Amino acid sequence: DAGITQSPRHKVTETGTPVTLRCHQTENHRYMYWYRQDPGHGLRLIHYSYGVKDTDKGEVSDGYSVSRSKTEDFLLTLESATSSQTSVYFCAITGGGEQFFGPGTRLTVL
Amino acid sequence: AQKITQTQPGMFVQEKEAVTLDCTYDTSDQSYGLFWYKQPSSGEMIFLIYQGSYDEQNATEGRYSLNFQKARKSANLVISASQLGDSAMYFCAMREGRGAGGTSYGKLTFGQGTILTVHP
Repeated sequence: DAGITQSPRHKVTETGTPVTLRCHQTENHRYMYWYRQDPGHGLRLIHYSYGVKDTDKGEVSDGYSVSRSKTEDFLLTLESATSSQTSVYFCAITGGGEQFFGPGTRLTVL
Repeated sequence: AQKITQTQPGMFVQEKEAVTLDCTYDTSDQSYGLFWYKQPSSGEMIFLIYQGSYDEQNATEGRYSLNFQKARKSANLVISASQLGDSAMYFCAMREGRGAGGTSYGKLTFGQGTILTVHP
């Protein structure tokens, strides 16, 4: 199995609070991605990174920011969480070819 | 327009029979990749199989094979000898663009998924 972990695995928070999700990899892959999964939409790309300090927006980036200060860590931040950001968040990595996903973080914003 | 279309919201199959899950895609790129993932009720995304647009042979991985018809822009997943543990949601996904090295490499576009139920 690809070495990807996500933390926390579950989080409940209130509207307006900041939230940071962490993705950690042990594969030394260059590319890392954050997706969200919602019923009826499949998975949609939020942000991605193509190297340390190199990030770009995906399809649904509004309300999210990311940072990557080390190869192994990719952080997703919700500056001020809203109920529409209640979702399951997946991190993924690739070094070329297959793309592997982390176990997911279930975030509930009340 | 949808880039990835999975037209079967749900499929049923008898244990030990084969089943085909449909996926069509839309791209103007010459270089792209097609993926299938399995998501069981526990929620993790499990990579099943990959097909590159320049691969001449259909990809196979154990009981999984990808029926790649480039001219039709279809990439159907065939599961042979279905097992009860195959019951899950299945996603088709596409990666467009050039190979690894570019800044936008690897972004996947997903279909909405097909729920497969295997009956004993």
